Amino acid sequence: AQKITQTQPGMFVQEKEAVTLDCTYDTSDQSYGLFWYKQPSSGEMIFLIYQGSYDEQNATEGRYSLNFQKARKSANLVISASQLGDSAMYFCAMSSLFGNEKLTFGTGTRLTIIP
Amino acid sequence: EPEVTQTPSHQVTQMGQEVILRCVPISNHLYFYWYRQILGQKVEFLVSFYNNEISEKSEIFDDQFSVERPDGSNFTLKIRSTKLEDSAMYFCASRTDRGPEKLFFGSGTQLSVL
Repeated sequence: AQKITQTQPGMFVQEKEAVTLDCTYDTSDQSYGLFWYKQPSSGEMIFLIYQGSYDEQNATEGRYSLNFQKARKSANLVISASQLGDSAMYFCAMSSLFGNEKLTFGTGTRLTIIP
Repeated sequence: EPEVTQTPSHQVTQMGQEVILRCVPISNHLYFYWYRQILGQKVEFLVSFYNNEISEKSEIFDDQFSVERPDGSNFTLKIRSTKLEDSAMYFCASRTDRGPEKLFFGSGTQLSVL
């Protein structure tokens, strides 16, 4: 079974500052993928970034980077130069890389950017 | 950019009624999923569908739930007799066979059971 833990229910960050959202995971799978999704108040799920367990380099997508520490089983999301539009709920998720690859989600972190 | 389309965006129904939530996945996708999110809670997996059959389902997906891909384009979730606790946002998702990161979510259907 897979488990995702997000320990920060809410965060407040000043605009233009960097922010790190924490995510730890647990799995018995050898090969797995880690995801971050953004959910604005409108409700849709927006894919941000993906990291495969076999990837040696941390994933980056524009202002988003994933700080992957396999030994610690952590996959923190780093948002650089935060913007007001970054205010949203952020979910960490994982899947195995075999079978139907369903996602297991964490409970989310609500990020609020302060102008 | 192609997208997963869900209709309706909001649905209100009476307890005990049947509802059908509709999804049009991206045309060349092969794997289809339904997830739900009860207000204020995390997103939960319901069911996955591949090659015209259910490949996996969660404990939530009991006999009241069913899925169909009737015409090669639509992917539906049916709840036969809705309960108050079925009130949630229901997300459809689809992907190709080219890796889990190619998963696309629809914008969701907010189901309210009264």
